[in-house]
Amino acid sequence: EIVMTQSPATLSVSPGERATLSCRASQSVSSNLAWYQQRPGQAPRLLIYGASTRATDIPARFSGSGSGTEFTLTISSLQSEDFAVYYCQQYNNWPPYTFGQGTKLEIK
Amino acid sequence: EVQLVESGGGLVKPGGSLRLSCAASGFTFNTYTMTWVRQAPGKGLECVSSISRSSSYIYYADSVKGRFTISRDNAKDSLYLQMNSLRAEDSAVYYCAGDPYSSSFFDYWGQGTLVTVSS
Repeated sequence: EIVMTQSPATLSVSPGERATLSCRASQSVSSNLAWYQQRPGQAPRLLIYGASTRATDIPARFSGSGSGTEFTLTISSLQSEDFAVYYCQQYNNWPPYTFGQGTKLEIK
Repeated sequence: EVQLVESGGGLVKPGGSLRLSCAASGFTFNTYTMTWVRQAPGKGLECVSSISRSSSYIYYADSVKGRFTISRDNAKDSLYLQMNSLRAEDSAVYYCAGDPYSSSFFDYWGQGTLVTVSS
C-alpha cells in the first residue's frame, strides 16, 4: 500500500499571502494525484486531479504541480474561505485509494 | 444538480449492526465506481469499501473485512453499506463518494452520516 505523507501538519499564513502545501508518496504514483479541501463540518471537495488539473469551478488561485513522489498545492493570495484542511490522495495503485493525513491551513 | 445523500447512521452498541444508504441523483450513477470513506472525529480520511460499476469488483479495507458488506442497486441509483459486529473504532462520519473513471479521484461526495458505536 502506498503511504502518502503531507507536510506541514499545520500551516499559518496571513490572508492575501501564498500558501504552499506538500505531499510525498512512498513510491511513484506518476501524476495520479488529487487534492481535496475540507472546511469544518463539510464533506471534502475535489480541487485538483491529475496532479495539476483544476476541477470544475475551482478558482485559478489554486494550482497543483509535481509528479512521481513529490507534489505541491499552491494557493496564491489566500482568501478567508481557503482556511481549511487539505488532503492529497493517490490513485495510481488501487486498491486502496490512499489519502495523506492532511494539512490544516490556519489564519496567521 | 448532483446529489449524494447518505442515511442510516446513528448510535449503536458494540456488536450491533447498521445499514447505511446513499441515494444518488443528477449524474449517471451506473458509470461510477462508488466508495464509502469514513472520518473518525478529528482524524483523516479512510477508504472503507469500494464497488465497481457493475458490482463485479469489490474492495474492503482490512479493518472492516468480514464485517462490512457493500452493495449497489443501479436501478435505484443507490449505494449501501451493511455494517455488522460494530466496534468503537468504527465510530466516524461515513461519506459516499463517486469516482468517474474507476480507480481515480472522487469528484462527488455526500454530506456524510454519523455512526457512533458506544455502550
